[in-house]
Amino acid sequence: GENVEQHPSTLSVQEGDSAVIKCTYSDSASNYFPWYKQELGKRPQLIIDIRSNVGEKKDQRIAVTLNKTAKHFSLHITETQPEDSAVYFCAGYNTDKLIFGTGTRLQVFP
Amino acid sequence: NAGVTQTPKFQVLKTGQSMTLQCAQDMNHNSMYWYRQDPGMGLRLIYYSASEGTTDKGEVPNGYNVSRLNKREFSLRLESAAPSQTSVYFCASSYGGTIGGELFFGEGSRLTVL
Repeated sequence: GENVEQHPSTLSVQEGDSAVIKCTYSDSASNYFPWYKQELGKRPQLIIDIRSNVGEKKDQRIAVTLNKTAKHFSLHITETQPEDSAVYFCAGYNTDKLIFGTGTRLQVFP
Repeated sequence: NAGVTQTPKFQVLKTGQSMTLQCAQDMNHNSMYWYRQDPGMGLRLIYYSASEGTTDKGEVPNGYNVSRLNKREFSLRLESAAPSQTSVYFCASSYGGTIGGELFFGEGSRLTVL
């Protein structure tokens, strides 16, 4: 079955700097890779996703890249702001089964 | 439009007691999921249901049972609760299938087993 590994587990950056979170997956049949943001005490919410036929996707300050050959995908946040502080989860999906990584706690310092 | 509703929000059990977590969605989604969240462990899939009448094991199914009562409802049952099942439980739903799509989560249920 799918196994998703996520690094780093914690990440601290200065406001305005960029942040990068990396994930690898094991199931070559996985075809959908979402990223979720979870603020303290709240439910996870989708921030961006990418499908296996696309290499890169951007939405304002966030972008996701996918390397199918290496089974690797990454989240990039530019110009970080204090409100970006949260836990971020990557995930891999293959026909109804969505497996999450272990999460990255991002702290953005003013 | 409530989205995904799960009950109860909080529950304290003694070891060996049983309980059922209820979940309902009003988005006409095919797929429903139960995850547990523990510090440092992320969101681990317990069971999922691709459609009414079907259920499948996820990563950590031991100690749990599920029922997909109809398209809207997916319940999670702990038959004999153990302290290791202390966790926050999230129900979620999506269109699923080969396309996948956004998972919508409930607010979570915090369970403590003493």
